Amino acid sequence: AQKVTQAQTEISVVEKEDVTLDCVYETRDTTYYLFWYKQPPSGELVFLIRRNSFDEQNEISGRYSWNFQKSTSSFNFTITASQVVDSAVYFCALSEARGSAAGNKLTFGGGTRVLVKP
Amino acid sequence: EPEVTQTPSHQVTQMGQEVILRCVPISNHLYFYWYRQILGQKVEFLVSFYNNEISEKSEIFDDQFSVERPDGSNFTLKIRSTKLEDSAMYFCASSERLSGEQYFGPGTRLTVT
Repeated sequence: AQKVTQAQTEISVVEKEDVTLDCVYETRDTTYYLFWYKQPPSGELVFLIRRNSFDEQNEISGRYSWNFQKSTSSFNFTITASQVVDSAVYFCALSEARGSAAGNKLTFGGGTRVLVKP
Repeated sequence: EPEVTQTPSHQVTQMGQEVILRCVPISNHLYFYWYRQILGQKVEFLVSFYNNEISEKSEIFDDQFSVERPDGSNFTLKIRSTKLEDSAMYFCASSERLSGEQYFGPGTRLTVT
């Protein structure tokens, strides 16, 4: 069974500080997909990034960067120079690839609440 | 930019009543999902739907739940006899391709009294 663990329940930083969110996953599949979603106070779930298990190239997108380490089953997310608008709950999620046409459910971690203070 | 929409935004119902939550997925998407989030907790998968049938469902998705795509645009979740523990935010999501990113609607907050 697949499992996602986000050990940090809440992180509080001052604006302009960097913040790194940890995500550790478990799966028996060799092909899988990892995601980060953001849930701002308004409640919607906003897609941030998708990575497949064969793509360990880390990426930077603006102030966001991701560090995928297959050897340690981790998919960490960093916000550089945080801003107040980054305050939200961030969810890591895992989807196992299926050969059938069945849709691939997302298994979410418990989320990390990020509070950026001015 | 296309988006998933959900109605109503908030539904209050009495225990034992039936509710129908509605979703309009992104038009060219083929895979549809329902998730729920009990206040302050993680997002949980309920059901996935493809080619007009359920492709997977979780343990939560018991006989009280059903899904339907009554026409080419709407995707509904029905709870036949609501319980207090069904109170949660219900999210609809859709994706264009298998294992693709899922785009979520704004959610329907269901309150069962």
